Parts: sequence; C-alpha cells; structure tokens
Amino acid sequence: QSVLTQPPSVSGAPGQRVTISCTGSSSNIGAGYNVHWYQQLPGTAPKLLIYGNSNRPSGVPDRFSGSKSGTSASLAITGLQAEDEADYYCQSYDSSLSGSVVFGGGTKLTVL
Amino acid sequence: QVQLVQSGAEVKKPGASVKVSCKASGYTFTGYFIHWLRQAPGQGLEWMGWINPISGVTNYAQKFQGWVTMTTDTSISTAYMELRRLRSADTALYYCARERYLNGMDVWGPGATVTVSS
Repeated sequence: QSVLTQPPSVSGAPGQRVTISCTGSSSNIGAGYNVHWYQQLPGTAPKLLIYGNSNRPSGVPDRFSGSKSGTSASLAITGLQAEDEADYYCQSYDSSLSGSVVFGGGTKLTVL
Repeated sequence: QVQLVQSGAEVKKPGASVKVSCKASGYTFTGYFIHWLRQAPGQGLEWMGWINPISGVTNYAQKFQGWVTMTTDTSISTAYMELRRLRSADTALYYCARERYLNGMDVWGPGATVTVSS
C-alpha cells in the first residue's frame, strides 16, 4: 500500500490531454513538501519529469506540466504522443516518517 | 557527462547478503545525497533510504532498518548498499539516484538486478 495514491491506469488518444492525480495527506503533500514526477519507459530507469511541483528539467517538453493543491498534486500531459506511453510515479516526503521519501504506486499511461 | 554506474547482476541464495555499488562521475559526489530504491518485477518503485556522502548520515525506510547498510567511499565517488538475510521477495532491480535540496532525483543509475533463488 503506497503512501501516495495514484490511479493504476489512464488512457488517451494521440493529441488528447490526460491528467494523473496523486493524493496524499497532511503529513506529506499537505505539509508543504515538494512533489516530483517521474516517467519510466519500458525497460529503462525512471526519469525526472517534473520537480518542485511544477518545474520541468531541461529537455522535458512543455506538454508536461505539474500542479499541487492542498493534499493532492496532478500531472497533465497535452498533445499526447505514442512515445508518452509509460509508467508515471509521483514522489514526495513525509514528516510522520522522519522526512522519508514516499512514492505513489504508479500509473500506466496507454496511448490508444 | 553526469552519470551513475552500478555494479552487475547478482544471484544469491536465501539468507545471503548482497552489496551493490554505484559509482558517480561528472559532478561533485559530496554535493548530492544518494538514494537507493528497488523495483520488483512488474511492481512500482520502493524507496529504501538515502545517504549523505559528505557526512555519512543515513535515513533508512522503516521497513529496511536493521537490514540494510548504506555507505560511501568519497575517495572513489562510490556509494554502496548492502542488504542482508536475503529472501526470494528481495528479487528486484536495485537503483541508485542522486538528489540535492529536495529537488527530486535527477540522475539515476541503470539498475542492478539481484536475484534470490535457491
């Protein structure tokens, strides 16, 4: 059971917009900790996609955006492309666990 | 370029220990925390803990306390993760990743496969 809750799967057609939610609690996201998002393509290591709630590392297309409100965060992907098909994970920190790192269970994005 | 290179695949018997290495290059090793995570086949990411290379201070996930040891050798910019008393459930891909200032894990190693089988 993951500390952060994500939907197991989402899907969308090429060109569409999809969102992936990440729900936490008052001891992690709601406590003001940063939320980060990772993309894991099949057979590869995760890649940092969004850091600090809404910032994109260099090289990440602006089709990817992140937001945070209260105890939840969201990842939005616009102009969906076939190469976006991957697993997506949210990550934060938790004060009830001595500042430990916590992850969501991951969301499988399928591009129809 | 900035990279983390991990040791190769390991096959261990139940009850044995494994030590995975993670060699950093292209950046100041002591400037970033090193995290260790694992991913069992078909499963999500599981955080195991972090180590601050400059001080050696560690923070292990509750599940792994007493069971894992993370160390670094700053002279060769290498981090190590040792897991003891292995069980078949520890079969997984073990990753190292770096992070600074709670800004996310921006560089990851390729992963090291550990298989526990009798």
